[in-house]
Amino acid sequence: EAGVAQSPRYKIIEKRQSVAFWCNPISGHATLYWYQQILGQGPKLLIQFQNNGVVDDSQLPKDRFSAERLKGVDSTLKIQPAKLEDSAVYLCASSLDNRPRYFGPGTRLTVT
Amino acid sequence: QKEVEQNSGPLSVPEGAIASLNCTYSDRGSQSFFWYRQYSGKSPELIMFIYSNGDKEDGRFTAQLNKASQYVSLLIRDSQPSDSATYLCAVHHTTSGTYKYIFGTGTRLKVLA
Repeated sequence: EAGVAQSPRYKIIEKRQSVAFWCNPISGHATLYWYQQILGQGPKLLIQFQNNGVVDDSQLPKDRFSAERLKGVDSTLKIQPAKLEDSAVYLCASSLDNRPRYFGPGTRLTVT
Repeated sequence: QKEVEQNSGPLSVPEGAIASLNCTYSDRGSQSFFWYRQYSGKSPELIMFIYSNGDKEDGRFTAQLNKASQYVSLLIRDSQPSDSATYLCAVHHTTSGTYKYIFGTGTRLKVLA
């Protein structure tokens, strides 16, 4: 069974630029999560999808972050414009229920 | 008070010893509790979950839950150098019909050969 796929693995951008991350969950997993993990901290939920509907986006900075999950399968997370404090690892996870079980390898974003 | 609190460590134990990792949580309505292991530079992987008071064992791992005291712990028996990692505690609860899944900041474990 293929795992959660994410791309790119690494991205370096300058502040005020935009960036997009892609995630393909495990086949058949209805729930997809995007987490932000800053170095030395635990993952923080940005957005949770159930199929292609949003379940929780209460911690998503909506003035600069957006996410979509078209057709209830893969998903993209976008940051526009990026700030220095957005430097983090962005993790995508998927599961069959409301508990994140399988994480992708993550995208390490550095904003300079 | 943070919703989920863990000592950041590092917790150092000799090889073969029992490692004890602790986590406290603030929401008494929390329903289920999870432990993840995260190697440096890697993603978290789920290793244990527990819903009921008491102990749950899986191989060398035992999760312990005490809802009255609002803590959950993870014991690792016969610790190996390969167990050296950060262990994240996560707590799941429902607030106003919305599921909340909160991670702690993790405890770094070092098993000394």
